[in-house]
Amino acid sequence: GAGVSQTPSNKVTEKGKYVELRCDPISGHTALYWYRQSLGQGPEFLIYFQGTGAADDSGLPNDRFFAVRPEGSVSTLKIQRTERGDSAVYLCASSLTDTSNEQFFGPGTRLTVL
Amino acid sequence: EDQVTQSPEALRLQEGESSSLNCSYTVSGLRGLFWYRQDPGKGPEFLFTLYSAGEEKEKERLKATLTKKESFLHITAPKPEDSATYLCAARDRGSTLGRLYFGRGTQLTVWP
Repeated sequence: GAGVSQTPSNKVTEKGKYVELRCDPISGHTALYWYRQSLGQGPEFLIYFQGTGAADDSGLPNDRFFAVRPEGSVSTLKIQRTERGDSAVYLCASSLTDTSNEQFFGPGTRLTVL
Repeated sequence: EDQVTQSPEALRLQEGESSSLNCSYTVSGLRGLFWYRQDPGKGPEFLFTLYSAGEEKEKERLKATLTKKESFLHITAPKPEDSATYLCAARDRGSTLGRLYFGRGTQLTVWP
């Protein structure tokens, strides 16, 4: 079956612009996670949803970052007033529930802020 | 302070040369220790979950073990296709159920 998909695969933007990154989880997975991975680092937790609600958003670095999952399926990560330090690969993962052992990751969106 | 630390950062092995990767954790109460494999340009792929000291899991040439302070990923007779970055992650009793703390990974290269 289809895995987790993320669009776009690459995004280049200018400092100060607004960007949206999309994640389509595996069908039937109620938990959805966003991570950020910089070069040479492990994934850094940002936020996760159980259903439509954000169960833990404590990893969001500041109020320029926001994520939604209005119907409990697709999620969008929104970044306002982008900064060069936001450049990274943004990974999305999903799991059956938030107690599941295995998180299934998408290929990521590479964000470059010029 | 990092809660999950992996060593070495990079490891080069000749095909067939067995070795181990280390993951030490300092979370307040472990509620699962996870190993993932990540190939370049891709998202991490789940390998194992361990819950209690003494537990072991195996898959092909890989075996993961857990003690009270660290986990090891043993690679027996590796092949070039085992080349990847291996990530360790911990789930902490003090955090929400879904949150994982990842280490920086060990980049493994196996040459023929």
